[in-house]
Amino acid sequence: GAGVSQSPSNKVTEKGKDVELRCDPISGHTALYWYRQSLGQGLEFLIYFQGNSAPDKSGLPSDRFSAERTGGSVSTLTIQRTQQEDSAVYLCASSSGPGTGNGYTFGSGTRLTVV
Amino acid sequence: DAKTTQPPSMDCAEGRAANLPCNHSTISGNEYVYWYRQIHSQGPQYIIHGLKNNETNEMASLIITEDRKSSTLILPHATLRDTAVYYCIVRLFYGGSQGNLIFGKGTKLSVKP
Repeated sequence: GAGVSQSPSNKVTEKGKDVELRCDPISGHTALYWYRQSLGQGLEFLIYFQGNSAPDKSGLPSDRFSAERTGGSVSTLTIQRTQQEDSAVYLCASSSGPGTGNGYTFGSGTRLTVV
Repeated sequence: DAKTTQPPSMDCAEGRAANLPCNHSTISGNEYVYWYRQIHSQGPQYIIHGLKNNETNEMASLIITEDRKSSTLILPHATLRDTAVYYCIVRLFYGGSQGNLIFGKGTKLSVKP
């Protein structure tokens, strides 16, 4: 597609449930990033995928968070046993290479609310 | 941690130039200055980037001081739709995993009629 697509746009879940968030990057983009943004806060880096290389998971806040990228395209961010502090907007971005000069294209995010 | 310092907020009159400053005194020689903005409820949007020369595109101009320790993003004729949080970021051009964007708190620009 023309842009980065994320689904669902909104997700309300009960504390303790697992959730999966999906990101469809721009076709051909090899780099994919996940960020999250809590209410009124800046963006927090979570994980980075580049081609077939091992992902950089250094930003994942706990082992309840995991992500995979199948076929070098679609990515899924999974949060297990959700907690209220996981409530945030989860943003995905892609670029055509590592550190592409023209910047990243962000999706509109998934707003996750844990009740 | 973000390597940049920005004022938390600024106001600008509609139709006037908005000049957003950024300090990056610890920038290294191979790091670029990037600007993004985030309009309410949207994902961040790339604006412009530069290394040491001044840059201009259809959205904005970027002025980088000769010592590269600070820069200014200029929106020449601000409109109400330019109201957003503006982020100044320094990063490697080809940084691989090190090239991920580190967002600070940015500057909330309010354009007023």
